[in-house]
This record gives sequence, structure tokens and C-alpha cells, in this order.
Amino acid sequence: KAGVTQTPRYLIKTRGQQVTLSCSPISGHRSVSWYQQTPGQGLQFLFEYFSETQRNKGNFPGRFSGRQFSNSRSEMNVSTLELGDSALYLCASSLVRQGLDEKLFFGSGTQLSVL
Amino acid sequence: AQSVAQPEDQVNVAEGNPLTVKCTYSVSGNPYLFWYVQYPNRGLQFLLKYITGDNLVKGSYGFEAEFNKSQTSFHLKKPSALVSDSALYFCAVRDDNQGGKLIFGQGTELSVKP
Repeated sequence: KAGVTQTPRYLIKTRGQQVTLSCSPISGHRSVSWYQQTPGQGLQFLFEYFSETQRNKGNFPGRFSGRQFSNSRSEMNVSTLELGDSALYLCASSLVRQGLDEKLFFGSGTQLSVL
Repeated sequence: AQSVAQPEDQVNVAEGNPLTVKCTYSVSGNPYLFWYVQYPNRGLQFLLKYITGDNLVKGSYGFEAEFNKSQTSFHLKKPSALVSDSALYFCAVRDDNQGGKLIFGQGTELSVKP
């Protein structure tokens, strides 16, 4: 059974650009969550999608958005990139929503560098 | 708000010695607690969870965690450390006041030397 797949693995962008990250969950998993990981802040929750609807959102500005498709694949978009957006972005999938299924399966992440 | 704290940024242990990675929590209501591990260049992997029941929870790779309600702690332990246990360890709590999302601690870097 394939794990959670995130693409691309590495990304370099400049300030002001926008970026789209992709996540394919484990087959059959319907929930996809996104986290931002930085050395100083640890893991910060961005949002969770379930059945193509955003079910939960963290404390990030509106520049961070996402969506989920009917096949449960999810994309995350960051517009008007800032230097502080440099981080490892992790996607996690679960069978059902967080809170109902405690075990999350994480991808290896997309390392975003903003220059 | 629910939260967890990992008071140690780094823990150093000699191979074969017991290890402890500390976690304290702050919750309203019943705590649902987790440990995840992150190996270099990898995503997080689930180790174990405490929902209810026995205070000693056994998980993957020989790890266990002890839930202590009076000390609001959930420390991760292993009787005999391996060099391959070297990784970043995260404690997490489920925040039922915010849709059940997992709130992670800052992480503790475990280094096991031969």
C-alpha cells in the first residue's frame, strides 16, 4: 500500500511569487491535513480537508489556502511568498477526520525555500 | 487551549542505556495524547497513543509511555536505547475544542551514541 506522497520534494521561490504543493493521501483515506514545520515554531496546523471541504483551520493568514479533490488528493497554495514562509510543509492523511481517527500518516514533506 | 510542552530540546543517551523523553500537557477535559517520531528527511511516524485505560502504553519499536494525571505528564521511555533511535520526537494532544486537530510540541532531538 503506497504511503502519503508529496510533490515536489524541494522548491525554491522568490519573494512575491506563489507556490502550489501537492499531496496524495493513502488510498481510502478521506482526510488530509497540512502542517508547517520550522525549527523555531515546531509543527503548526494549517488546515484539514475532508470530503472536499475545509473542516478546520489554523492561525495562518489568508495567503495560505488549500483544496481537496474528489479523489481526496489535496493541494496547498501560498500566494505572495514571504521569507518567513520558508519551511517544511507536511501533509498527513487519515481514514476519517482528525479527532475521530487519532493515527495520522505523514508524507516526507515539501521543503520550501523563499529567497 | 490544549497544549503540550517538551522541556528538553535535546536528549543524549548512550546505547544500551534507558531513555526518557519528557512531555507535559495542559488540557480541559480528558487528555488524548500521542507520540510521533521523525527520522531525518522523513515525515512523522505514529509511535503510540493514550486515550484511556492503563497508564503505561506500549507502542512501536519497543517504546512505551507513562501517563501521569497528577503530574500532567506523558513521558516516552525505552529500556535500552539503540543508535537507530536517534531522531526527532514529538508529543501531541488532541484538541477537542478545535475540531479534534492534533497540537504538537516543539520536538525533542534524541541522540544515541555508541
